[in-house]
Amino acid sequence: EVQLVESGGGLVQPGRSLKLSCAASGFTFSNYGMHWIRQAPTKGLEWVASISPSGGSTYYRDSVKGRFTISRDNAKSTLYLQMDSLRSEDTATYYCATDRNNYFDYWGQGVMVTVSS
Amino acid sequence: DIQMTQSPPSLSASLGETVSIECRASEDIYSNLAWYQQKSGKSPQLLIYYASSLQDGVPSRFSGSGSGTQYSLKISGMQPEDEGVYYCLQGSKYPYTFGAGTKLELK
Repeated sequence: EVQLVESGGGLVQPGRSLKLSCAASGFTFSNYGMHWIRQAPTKGLEWVASISPSGGSTYYRDSVKGRFTISRDNAKSTLYLQMDSLRSEDTATYYCATDRNNYFDYWGQGVMVTVSS
Repeated sequence: DIQMTQSPPSLSASLGETVSIECRASEDIYSNLAWYQQKSGKSPQLLIYYASSLQDGVPSRFSGSGSGTQYSLKISGMQPEDEGVYYCLQGSKYPYTFGAGTKLELK
Protein backbone atom coordinates (compact mmCIF):
# COMPACT_ATOMS: atom_id res chain seq x y z
CA GLU A 1 0.00 0.00 0.00
CA VAL A 2 1.38 3.40 -1.01
CA GLN A 3 1.85 5.75 1.94
CA LEU A 4 3.08 9.33 1.96
CA VAL A 5 3.49 10.96 5.37
CA GLU A 6 4.36 14.65 5.60
CA SER A 7 5.96 16.23 8.65
CA GLY A 8 7.78 19.35 9.73
CA GLY A 9 4.99 21.89 9.60
CA GLY A 10 4.12 24.44 12.25
CA LEU A 11 3.98 28.12 13.13
CA VAL A 12 6.87 30.24 11.90
CA GLN A 13 7.54 33.98 11.77
CA PRO A 14 7.77 35.82 8.46
CA GLY A 15 11.27 35.70 7.02
CA ARG A 16 12.18 32.49 8.84
CA SER A 17 12.74 28.99 7.45
CA LEU A 18 11.06 25.61 7.70
CA LYS A 19 11.83 22.22 6.18
CA LEU A 20 9.08 19.77 5.29
CA SER A 21 9.61 16.05 4.86
CA CYS A 22 7.53 13.42 3.09
CA ALA A 23 8.29 9.80 3.99
CA ALA A 24 7.27 7.38 1.27
CA SER A 25 6.57 3.66 1.47
CA GLY A 26 4.81 0.94 -0.48
CA PHE A 27 6.47 1.68 -3.83
CA THR A 28 9.94 2.08 -5.36
CA PHE A 29 10.47 5.74 -4.49
CA SER A 30 13.51 6.18 -6.72
CA ASN A 31 11.44 5.38 -9.83
CA TYR A 32 8.99 8.25 -9.44
CA GLY A 33 8.98 11.98 -9.78
CA MET A 34 7.45 13.80 -6.84
CA HIS A 35 5.58 17.01 -6.25
CA TRP A 36 4.61 19.46 -3.53
CA ILE A 37 1.16 21.02 -3.79
CA ARG A 38 -0.35 23.48 -1.31
CA GLN A 39 -3.77 24.72 -0.31
CA ALA A 40 -4.29 27.97 1.58
CA PRO A 41 -7.11 27.89 4.16
CA THR A 42 -10.52 27.73 2.40
CA LYS A 43 -8.79 28.12 -1.00
CA GLY A 44 -8.04 25.92 -3.98
CA LEU A 45 -5.05 23.77 -4.88
CA GLU A 46 -1.76 25.21 -6.09
CA TRP A 47 1.20 23.28 -7.48
CA VAL A 48 4.46 24.36 -5.79
CA ALA A 49 7.42 22.30 -6.99
CA SER A 50 8.44 19.07 -8.70
CA ILE A 51 11.52 16.86 -8.79
CA SER A 52 12.56 14.09 -11.18
CA PRO A 53 13.23 10.51 -9.97
CA SER A 54 16.99 11.06 -9.80
CA GLY A 55 16.68 14.55 -8.37
CA GLY A 56 18.52 15.97 -11.36
CA SER A 57 15.62 18.12 -12.55
CA THR A 58 13.51 20.47 -10.46
CA TYR A 59 10.68 22.88 -11.26
CA TYR A 60 9.10 25.66 -9.19
CA ARG A 61 6.24 28.06 -9.42
CA ASP A 62 7.43 31.62 -9.85
CA SER A 63 6.25 32.82 -6.42
CA VAL A 64 8.54 30.38 -4.59
CA LYS A 65 11.51 30.35 -6.98
CA GLY A 66 14.67 31.32 -5.14
CA ARG A 67 13.04 30.79 -1.73
CA PHE A 68 12.00 27.12 -1.77
CA THR A 69 14.17 24.10 -2.60
CA ILE A 70 12.79 20.67 -3.39
CA SER A 71 15.12 17.71 -2.86
CA ARG A 72 15.01 13.99 -2.25
CA ASP A 73 16.98 11.21 -0.59
CA ASN A 74 16.24 8.03 -2.51
CA ALA A 75 18.13 5.89 0.01
CA LYS A 76 15.72 7.09 2.69
CA SER A 77 12.64 7.24 0.41
CA THR A 78 12.08 10.78 1.56
CA LEU A 79 11.12 14.00 -0.21
CA TYR A 80 11.93 17.43 1.22
CA LEU A 81 10.88 21.02 0.80
CA GLN A 82 13.21 23.62 2.27
CA MET A 83 11.26 26.86 2.66
CA ASP A 84 13.25 30.04 3.29
CA SER A 85 12.19 33.70 3.57
CA LEU A 86 8.67 32.61 4.38
CA ARG A 87 5.80 35.03 3.77
CA SER A 88 2.27 35.17 5.12
CA GLU A 89 1.00 34.10 1.70
CA ASP A 90 2.87 30.78 2.10
CA THR A 91 0.42 29.82 4.85
CA ALA A 92 -1.21 26.62 3.65
CA THR A 93 -1.55 22.88 4.00
CA TYR A 94 1.30 21.31 2.03
CA TYR A 95 0.80 17.96 0.32
CA CYS A 96 3.37 15.71 -1.29
CA ALA A 97 2.22 13.60 -4.21
CA THR A 98 3.61 11.05 -6.62
CA ASP A 99 4.07 11.86 -10.30
CA ARG A 100 2.44 9.67 -12.92
CA ASN A 101 3.46 11.43 -16.14
CA ASN A 102 1.59 14.70 -16.14
CA TYR A 103 -0.70 14.15 -13.17
CA PHE A 104 -0.51 13.29 -9.47
CA ASP A 105 -1.88 9.99 -8.28
CA TYR A 106 -1.12 9.34 -4.59
CA TRP A 107 -1.24 12.21 -2.07
CA GLY A 108 -0.17 12.46 1.54
CA GLN A 109 -2.48 13.65 4.30
CA GLY A 110 -0.93 17.10 4.31
CA VAL A 111 0.96 19.22 6.83
CA MET A 112 -0.02 22.72 7.95
CA VAL A 113 2.38 25.64 7.69
CA THR A 114 1.37 28.94 9.31
CA VAL A 115 3.50 32.03 8.70
CA SER A 116 2.62 34.70 11.23
CA SER A 117 4.24 37.00 13.74
CA ASP B 1 0.92 30.03 -17.62
CA ILE B 2 -2.04 27.92 -18.75
CA GLN B 3 -5.27 29.14 -17.15
CA MET B 4 -7.93 26.58 -16.23
CA THR B 5 -11.46 27.98 -16.11
CA GLN B 6 -13.75 25.62 -14.20
CA SER B 7 -17.54 25.85 -14.06
CA PRO B 8 -19.85 25.99 -12.29
CA PRO B 9 -18.34 27.13 -8.96
CA SER B 10 -21.04 25.25 -7.10
CA LEU B 11 -23.72 22.71 -7.86
CA SER B 12 -26.56 21.10 -6.00
CA ALA B 13 -27.87 17.75 -7.26
CA SER B 14 -30.58 15.33 -6.22
CA LEU B 15 -29.95 11.66 -5.51
CA GLY B 16 -29.55 9.84 -8.83
CA GLU B 17 -29.23 13.01 -10.88
CA THR B 18 -26.54 13.27 -13.55
CA VAL B 19 -24.17 16.21 -13.14
CA SER B 20 -21.45 17.71 -15.31
CA ILE B 21 -18.49 19.92 -14.49
CA GLU B 22 -16.51 21.72 -17.18
CA CYS B 23 -12.92 22.89 -17.47
CA ARG B 24 -11.61 25.08 -20.24
CA ALA B 25 -7.87 25.54 -20.78
CA SER B 26 -6.38 28.74 -22.16
CA GLU B 27 -4.46 26.67 -24.73
CA ASP B 28 -4.38 23.11 -26.04
CA ILE B 29 -3.36 20.72 -23.24
CA TYR B 30 -3.43 17.56 -25.38
CA SER B 31 -5.65 15.60 -22.98
CA ASN B 32 -3.21 16.08 -20.09
CA LEU B 33 -6.17 16.68 -17.82
CA ALA B 34 -6.98 15.02 -14.51
CA TRP B 35 -9.95 15.29 -12.17
CA TYR B 36 -9.79 15.14 -8.38
CA GLN B 37 -12.36 14.92 -5.62
CA GLN B 38 -11.63 16.48 -2.25
CA LYS B 39 -13.84 15.81 0.74
CA SER B 40 -13.81 18.13 3.72
CA GLY B 41 -10.59 17.89 5.72
CA LYS B 42 -9.12 15.25 3.42
CA SER B 43 -6.49 15.18 0.71
CA PRO B 44 -7.60 15.12 -2.94
CA GLN B 45 -8.31 11.77 -4.57
CA LEU B 46 -7.65 11.05 -8.26
CA LEU B 47 -10.75 10.19 -10.26
CA ILE B 48 -9.83 10.56 -13.94
CA TYR B 49 -6.50 10.97 -15.75
CA TYR B 50 -5.59 11.70 -19.38
CA ALA B 51 -9.04 13.25 -19.72
CA SER B 52 -11.01 9.99 -19.83
CA SER B 53 -9.15 7.15 -18.04
CA LEU B 54 -10.82 5.99 -14.85
CA GLN B 55 -8.49 5.55 -11.87
CA ASP B 56 -8.54 2.07 -10.31
CA GLY B 57 -11.20 1.76 -7.62
CA VAL B 58 -13.23 4.78 -8.75
CA PRO B 59 -16.92 3.98 -9.38
CA SER B 60 -17.92 3.71 -13.02
CA ARG B 61 -20.54 6.45 -12.60
CA PHE B 62 -17.63 8.87 -12.96
CA SER B 63 -16.49 9.57 -16.51
CA GLY B 64 -14.37 12.16 -18.27
CA SER B 65 -14.29 13.45 -21.80
CA GLY B 66 -12.86 16.20 -23.92
CA SER B 67 -9.85 17.21 -25.96
CA GLY B 68 -7.92 20.29 -26.93
CA THR B 69 -9.05 23.03 -24.58
CA GLN B 70 -12.47 21.71 -23.43
CA TYR B 71 -12.97 18.95 -20.86
CA SER B 72 -15.77 17.67 -18.69
CA LEU B 73 -16.42 15.36 -15.77
CA LYS B 74 -19.77 13.58 -15.56
CA ILE B 75 -21.29 11.83 -12.59
CA SER B 76 -24.09 9.55 -13.78
CA GLY B 77 -26.32 9.20 -10.77
CA MET B 78 -25.39 11.40 -7.82
CA GLN B 79 -24.73 9.52 -4.57
CA PRO B 80 -24.39 10.99 -1.05
CA GLU B 81 -20.70 10.07 -0.96
CA ASP B 82 -20.08 12.20 -4.06
CA GLU B 83 -20.40 15.43 -2.08
CA GLY B 84 -17.17 17.39 -2.07
CA VAL B 85 -15.10 19.79 -4.12
CA TYR B 86 -13.94 18.76 -7.57
CA TYR B 87 -10.81 20.14 -9.25
CA CYS B 88 -9.37 19.77 -12.71
CA LEU B 89 -5.60 19.80 -13.23
CA GLN B 90 -3.62 20.44 -16.39
CA GLY B 91 -0.30 18.58 -16.55
CA SER B 92 0.66 19.61 -20.07
CA LYS B 93 3.10 22.33 -19.14
CA TYR B 94 4.78 23.73 -16.05
CA PRO B 95 3.54 25.38 -13.94
CA TYR B 96 0.84 22.75 -13.57
CA THR B 97 -2.42 24.55 -12.84
CA PHE B 98 -5.72 23.64 -11.23
CA GLY B 99 -9.21 24.89 -11.86
CA ALA B 100 -10.76 26.92 -9.04
CA GLY B 101 -12.95 24.02 -7.96
CA THR B 102 -16.63 23.06 -8.05
CA LYS B 103 -18.44 22.45 -4.78
CA LEU B 104 -20.98 19.65 -5.23
CA GLU B 105 -23.72 19.16 -2.69
CA LEU B 106 -26.63 16.78 -2.38
CA LYS B 107 -29.96 18.54 -2.66
